[in-house]
Amino acid sequence: GENVEQHPSTLSVQEGDSAVIKCTYSDSASNYFPWYKQELGKGSQLIIDIRSNVGEKKDQRIAVTLNKTAKHFSLHITETQPEDSAVYFCAASISGGGSNYKLTFGKGTLLTVNP
Amino acid sequence: DTGVSQDPRHKITKRGQNVTFRCDPISEHNRLYWYRQTLGQGPEFLTYFQNEAQLEKSRLLSDRFSAERPKGSFSTLEIQRTEQGDSAMYLCASSLVGPSGNTIYFGEGSWLTVV
Repeated sequence: GENVEQHPSTLSVQEGDSAVIKCTYSDSASNYFPWYKQELGKGSQLIIDIRSNVGEKKDQRIAVTLNKTAKHFSLHITETQPEDSAVYFCAASISGGGSNYKLTFGKGTLLTVNP
Repeated sequence: DTGVSQDPRHKITKRGQNVTFRCDPISEHNRLYWYRQTLGQGPEFLTYFQNEAQLEKSRLLSDRFSAERPKGSFSTLEIQRTEQGDSAMYLCASSLVGPSGNTIYFGEGSWLTVV
C-alpha cells in the first residue's frame, strides 16, 4: 500500500520567514495530494491540494509543488504569521473512477512561528 | 454551511466498557470516512461508506469495532470491550464524489481515553 514520509517533524521559524515542509510517497498511482492544518484540539482543515496533472498550485501565501517523477511534493508558506503555528499533514490518495479515495497521511510537522 | 460534526468531543471510559461515537457529515455528501489518530501520528484510515454501504474496512478495525450508516446520512462508530490501546482521536470525514474530484472534509474529532 501507499507510504507517505514527511519531513521535518518540527520546524521553528521567525515571523515573516518562509517555511517548507516536504513529503515523499511510494505509490506511483497516487494522483491527489492534499495538505491539512490541525490546530490544538481540533480536526484537520484542508488548506490546499494538488492533482497530478499540475506541478504547482498557489493560494495567497501558501503554495504546493509536485514532482511526480521523484514522487515528492512540498508545502511552502511565505511571510509566516503566528497564527500559522499548527501541525501540518500531507496526504496522498488515488483519485478517479472506482477509487476509494482514502488518504494516507504523513506523520505531521509541528510548525512554530515565533513573533 | 455546517461542517462535519462529531459527538461526543471527549469520552473517558473504563476498560471493558462500550462506547459509541456519532458523525453527521456535510449535507448531501455521499462518502463518509472514519480515521483514527494517535499522538504524534497522522490519521489512519479505518473504514468508509458510499451512501449506506460500507465498502472497505482497514485491518486496523478489529472485530470489536463496528460502524454503520443506516440511512446514508449520519454514521456511528461503536467500540466494544474497550482496551487502553483504543485511546485515540477518532476522526470522521465526508466528501461528495463527482466529476470535479473528491475533496475530503474532516470533523473536529472525538477524543477517547480508556482508563
